[in-house]
Amino acid sequence: GAVVSQHPSWVICKSGTSVKIECRSLDFQATTMFWYRQFPKQSLMLMATSNEGSKATYEQGVEKDKFLINHASLTLSTLTVTSAHPEDSSFYICSARRIRGAMSWYFLRYEQYFGPGTRLTVT
Amino acid sequence: SQELEQSPQSLIVQEGKNLTINCTSSKTLYGLYWYKQKYGEGLIFLMMLQKGGEEKSHEKITAKLDEKKQQSSLHITASQPSHAGIYLCGADVMTTDSWGKLQFGAGTQVVVTP
Repeated sequence: GAVVSQHPSWVICKSGTSVKIECRSLDFQATTMFWYRQFPKQSLMLMATSNEGSKATYEQGVEKDKFLINHASLTLSTLTVTSAHPEDSSFYICSARRIRGAMSWYFLRYEQYFGPGTRLTVT
Repeated sequence: SQELEQSPQSLIVQEGKNLTINCTSSKTLYGLYWYKQKYGEGLIFLMMLQKGGEEKSHEKITAKLDEKKQQSSLHITASQPSHAGIYLCGADVMTTDSWGKLQFGAGTQVVVTP
């Protein structure tokens, strides 16, 4: 399967500082990547869709000024948590979408691969 | 929005026994993904189903999507300790302004005992 990496795998920062998390698709190009957040023992919650060369699309309730997303190339998306607070502590996971062919002339077949996650702790 | 229900929430199975996890959607599924996650780690892609009636197998894991494309099942044959973890189903959310967003079920925790 395809490989998606995240860096760092864990980070501890002080309240008020900013943290950048990188998501890379290592062996395929991804025009679209997604950022998720996961709280302990809960499922993943989609935060935003990151599109290469354009602005990210944020889900309802997610502050775009707080969670800055930059998809600068076909293999890299970054999530910056600005002015982090303890409530931002969480497990952040990215995914990259790969096209695997077409089911019909209008319907493409996609697969999504996830990174290993980044555990953020804000003190 | 698409509601995904997974059942059971958790299950304990003896090594060598079979198990089945179900994922039911309130709407037609345009793409259904199965992932495995160990607590605190990323998701491992297992399988993706799109066509009604589709069935895929990899090693001892088989996933099916029903003809109506509203229900999927994941079946593990002769479970092993390596099958322990959290299994998540994710549904492709199709909207006019976005394509490929996944909404996830709550997950099923699988414990394999000796």
